[in-house]
Amino acid sequence: AQTVTQSQPEMSVQEAETVTLSCTYDTSESDYYLFWYKQPPSRQMILVIRQEAYKQQNATENRFSVNFQKAAKSFSLKISDSQLGDAAMYFCAHMDSNYQLIWGAGTKLIIKP
Amino acid sequence: DAGITQSPRHKVTETGTPVTLRCHQTENHRYMYWYRQDPGHGLRLIHYSYGVKDTDKGEVSDGYSVSRSKTEDFLLTLESATSSQTSVYFCAIRGQGKHEQYFGPGTRLTVT
Repeated sequence: AQTVTQSQPEMSVQEAETVTLSCTYDTSESDYYLFWYKQPPSRQMILVIRQEAYKQQNATENRFSVNFQKAAKSFSLKISDSQLGDAAMYFCAHMDSNYQLIWGAGTKLIIKP
Repeated sequence: DAGITQSPRHKVTETGTPVTLRCHQTENHRYMYWYRQDPGHGLRLIHYSYGVKDTDKGEVSDGYSVSRSKTEDFLLTLESATSSQTSVYFCAIRGQGKHEQYFGPGTRLTVT
């Protein structure tokens, strides 16, 4: 079965600093998609960034970027210049060949002012 | 904003009663999904739909049924609620020609 693992249940970072959240996944497919979602206390699930496996270039969205290592099946999220509004649960997800999302258990990110 | 609403947003019900949750979308998306979210598990797929009257089971479908009689509405029914179904339920759609999913605001269901 395909799995997604987020090994850090909780991370904390000082405001304005950089933090990296880890994610590994297991798949036998060569073409797939990976996503990071953010869930603030409001409970709304918000898409942060996506990566197509066939693209070697790492995706970026403003202060958010990924380090995609296909051979290692690793997909980490880097948040630069952390802001108080970044405090949330962050979920990594892998889309399988049936277009279904397989989710990690999440990492709680705490921003220290 | 993908125009997804869920109702009710909160519900408390007793064990053994039937419960129906509604997901409504306004943008004519073909694919719709129901997930449940529990601490330590991320999101788990219950059922999904790929068109009107076309549905299929997900990872945790036991105890749940779904119906989709119109493109815009996807209903999740708990025929006889149990305490293990206490959870937060999310509806999602898959964007047209895209692979990412967009989520509704969620429904917190408590079964006492």
